[in-house]
Amino acid sequence: GAGVSQTPSNKVTEKGKYVELRCDPISGHTALYWYRQSLGQGPEFLIYFQGTGAADDSGLPNDRFFAVRPEGSVSTLKIQRTERGDSAVYLCASSLQGHEQYFGPGTRLTVT
Amino acid sequence: GNSVTQMEGPVTLSEEAFLTINCTYTATGYPSLFWYVQYPGEGLQLLLKATKADDKGSNKGFEATYRKETTSFHLEKGSVQVSDSAVYFCALRLQGAQKLVFGQGTRLTINP
Repeated sequence: GAGVSQTPSNKVTEKGKYVELRCDPISGHTALYWYRQSLGQGPEFLIYFQGTGAADDSGLPNDRFFAVRPEGSVSTLKIQRTERGDSAVYLCASSLQGHEQYFGPGTRLTVT
Repeated sequence: GNSVTQMEGPVTLSEEAFLTINCTYTATGYPSLFWYVQYPGEGLQLLLKATKADDKGSNKGFEATYRKETTSFHLEKGSVQVSDSAVYFCALRLQGAQKLVFGQGTRLTINP
């Protein structure tokens, strides 16, 4: 079946602009996660949804970052007033509650 | 805080060589431990896991044993193949939590 998909695969934006990154989880997966992976580093947790609600947003670095999952399926990660330090690969994962996380291919964000 | 430390890469070996990638962790309580693999051009995939002390996870010829006394989860394979070339990430998940905490990754290259 279809895995986790993320769009766009690449995004280049100018400093100060607003961006949205989309994640389509595996159908039926109630849990959804966002991670950020900087070059040469492991993924770092940003936020976790159980259904429509953010159950743990402790990894969001500041209030420029926000994520939604209004219908408990697709999620959008929103970044306001982007900074060069936001450049990274943003990974989405989904799972059944308490089970293996399946990762998408990521969105590579470059802020110029 | 909770963290994972992996042996620094890159690691380059010849085909059929023995592989060890070291991983140690710092965590409260009794975490579950994981190895993820990222093949070139692909997303992160779960390779193996162990959920309690002395458990051994295994998959595709890879093994890792959860050692609580040394807080380690070293990845081993007896005879590597060119197709094992990838980046390997050690990770933990705290009891009762959902988010994964990753190490920085180890790039492995196997030469024929």
